[in-house]
Amino acid sequence: EDKVVQSPLSLVVHEGDTVTLNCSYEVTNFRSLLWYKQEKKAPTFLFMLTSSGIEKKSGRLSSILDKKELFSILNITATQTGDSAVYLCAVENWGINDMRFGAGTRLTVK
Amino acid sequence: GAGVSQSPSNKVTEKGKDVELRCDPISGHTALYWYRQSLGQGLEFLIYFQGNSAPDKSGLPSDRFSAERTGGSVSTLTIQRTQQEDSAVYLCASSLAGGSNTGELFFGEGSRLTVL
Repeated sequence: EDKVVQSPLSLVVHEGDTVTLNCSYEVTNFRSLLWYKQEKKAPTFLFMLTSSGIEKKSGRLSSILDKKELFSILNITATQTGDSAVYLCAVENWGINDMRFGAGTRLTVK
Repeated sequence: GAGVSQSPSNKVTEKGKDVELRCDPISGHTALYWYRQSLGQGLEFLIYFQGNSAPDKSGLPSDRFSAERTGGSVSTLTIQRTQQEDSAVYLCASSLAGGSNTGELFFGEGSRLTVL
């Protein structure tokens, strides 16, 4: 059965800290891995990763994928209170185009 | 429309009643997804549509849940004989699917269902 596991489930940090969020997966026919940020209702897209070892970067956020070890990390440097949200990882399979989400990591920046 | 539209935004119903939730995806998006999110939890996959067909219904939690999509556009999720454990936010998302257009989902604001 396809599985997407995120860790930690929740994290509390102080402004200025750097955080690393983890996502590991087991899927039958990997196509892509995506990160989303959910603050209140609708998750918003952050990154899509398809190739190993290529870092995607947007401001203070960056992400990388390891297709051999089947995981991805999302890094946030110099955290701000506005980074407080649930960060969701999702994996897409080839062929049927479905997308499965992990349980999310709830980040609180104080 | 400009974004994914869901209705109603909030629904309170009594146990045993049927409810219908509606999703209007972004125009031209062929893929449509329904997810359920209980309080403090991640997104639970329910069903995926490619056009009007649903190649993956594996996430529907019971036979009280059904969904349809007509005209490759609007989708409705119907929950019959609602139970208290059905209380959750039901999120709809759409995407351009197939070929090189893949990945990013665009989410609606969700329908919050409360079953008393």
